[in-house]
Amino acid sequence: NAGVTQTPKFQVLKTGQSMTLQCAQDMNHNSMYWYRQDPGMGLRLIYYSASEGTTDKGEVPNGYNVSRLNKREFSLRLESAAPSQTSVYFCASSAPTGFTDTQYFGPGTRLTVL
Amino acid sequence: QKEVEQNSGPLSVPEGAIASLNCTYSDRGSQSFFWYRQYSGKSPELIMSIYSNGDKEDGRFTAQLNKASQYVSLLIRDSQPSDSATYLCAGPTMIKAAGNKLTFGGGTRVLVKP
Repeated sequence: NAGVTQTPKFQVLKTGQSMTLQCAQDMNHNSMYWYRQDPGMGLRLIYYSASEGTTDKGEVPNGYNVSRLNKREFSLRLESAAPSQTSVYFCASSAPTGFTDTQYFGPGTRLTVL
Repeated sequence: QKEVEQNSGPLSVPEGAIASLNCTYSDRGSQSFFWYRQYSGKSPELIMSIYSNGDKEDGRFTAQLNKASQYVSLLIRDSQPSDSATYLCAGPTMIKAAGNKLTFGGGTRVLVKP
C-alpha cells in the first residue's frame, strides 16, 4: 500500500513550456486534491475532484487544468508555465472520518519555472 | 482576510517543555479541525483531528477546540528535538456530496532546543 504517489519529484521548466504532474492513490478514496505551497503562504487549493468524473476549481485555479482519469489518478497540467508557478505541489486524497474527511498527502513535486 | 490564522513563529521551546500553538478561524460553520506536522522538505502528515469542543489527547499531543471563541490549539508535552517542524492548522468546508476543502493556516514553525 503506497498511499499517494506523485511524479516527478523535481522539475525545471522554462517559461512557456507545458507539463503534467501525475498523482495516484491506492486507498480507494473518492476525493482527490491538488495544492500548491509557497513560503509563508501555507497550502492553497488549486483544484479538487469530489468523485470520479467531477472536478472543481479551488482557491487558485488560474493557469492550471486537471483531469480525473479514473478513481486512482488525478493529474495537474500547466499549459504555459510562468515563473509565478514556481512552487511545491502536493496531491492529496481523502476518506470519510467522523463528520468530515481526512486528507492524506503525497510526497510533493518541486517545480521551478525559469 | 485569511480564514485560518496562525502565528508563523518560530516558536522556540527547550527540550522537555510544553509547546503551545494557536489557530483562529473565521468560518463559524466549521465543525472539525486538523493539525498537520510538516518537516522541512516533506509533505504534511496528520497528527490530530478534533470535532467537539474541549480537549482531545493522543500521546504527547493535546488538541483543544473552542467554537464560541473560534480558536483551536495544539499542545505538545515533553517536547523533543524530533518535534521541530512546521505545524499546520486546517479547517474544512463541505463541498457538494462528498469530500471537503481544507483551508490551511500559514503554519507555525516550532524549534525544540536540546
